[in-house]
Amino acid sequence: AQKVTQAQTEISVVEKEDVTLDCVYETRDTTYYLFWYKQPPSGELVFLIRRNSFDEQNEISGRYSWNFQKSTSSFNFTITASQVVDSAVYFCALSEVTAGNKLTFGGGTRVLVKP
Amino acid sequence: GAGVSQSPSNKVTEKGKDVELRCDPISGHTALYWYRQRLGQGLEFLIYFQGNSAPDKSGLPSDRFSAERTGESVSTLTIQRTQQEDSAVYLCASSHYGTGWYGYTFGSGTRLTVV
Repeated sequence: AQKVTQAQTEISVVEKEDVTLDCVYETRDTTYYLFWYKQPPSGELVFLIRRNSFDEQNEISGRYSWNFQKSTSSFNFTITASQVVDSAVYFCALSEVTAGNKLTFGGGTRVLVKP
Repeated sequence: GAGVSQSPSNKVTEKGKDVELRCDPISGHTALYWYRQRLGQGLEFLIYFQGNSAPDKSGLPSDRFSAERTGESVSTLTIQRTQQEDSAVYLCASSHYGTGWYGYTFGSGTRLTVV
């Protein structure tokens, strides 16, 4: 069965510090997708990134970067030079093609960026 | 519409009453998913519809929960004899399968409070 673990429940940093969110997943499929979503206090889910299992290239988007390592089943997310607006809950999620692409979410990591 | 629409946005109901939650997916999206998010927790998969195939109901927590979808249009999630533990935000997402798979679009959710 698919499973996503976000071991960090809450991280508190001071503005401009870097913060890395860990995500470890379990799947028996060879074809799957990994996601990160941001959920600010307003509650909506904001899509950040999707990565398929065949693309291990790391990605950078502005202050965000992602490190996908199949060997350790991890898909970690780093926010560089954090800002107060980054305060939110961040979810890692996995979907398996054989399971209809339904998403399995991790428990989320709450990031609090203090000014 | 441009996005996934859910109604009502908020619902307060008395314990024991039935409630219906509605989801209007993006036109043309063949797949529709329901998730539940309890306060401070991650998202739990409830049910998934794909075209005319039998729905995947594996996430429904009890027989008080049911959902319907007519073709590739509106879906309703019904909770009978509501309990206080049903209080949560219920999120709907839709997805399109065409020449590839393009990920999910989430609605803003229905916040259900059972008193």
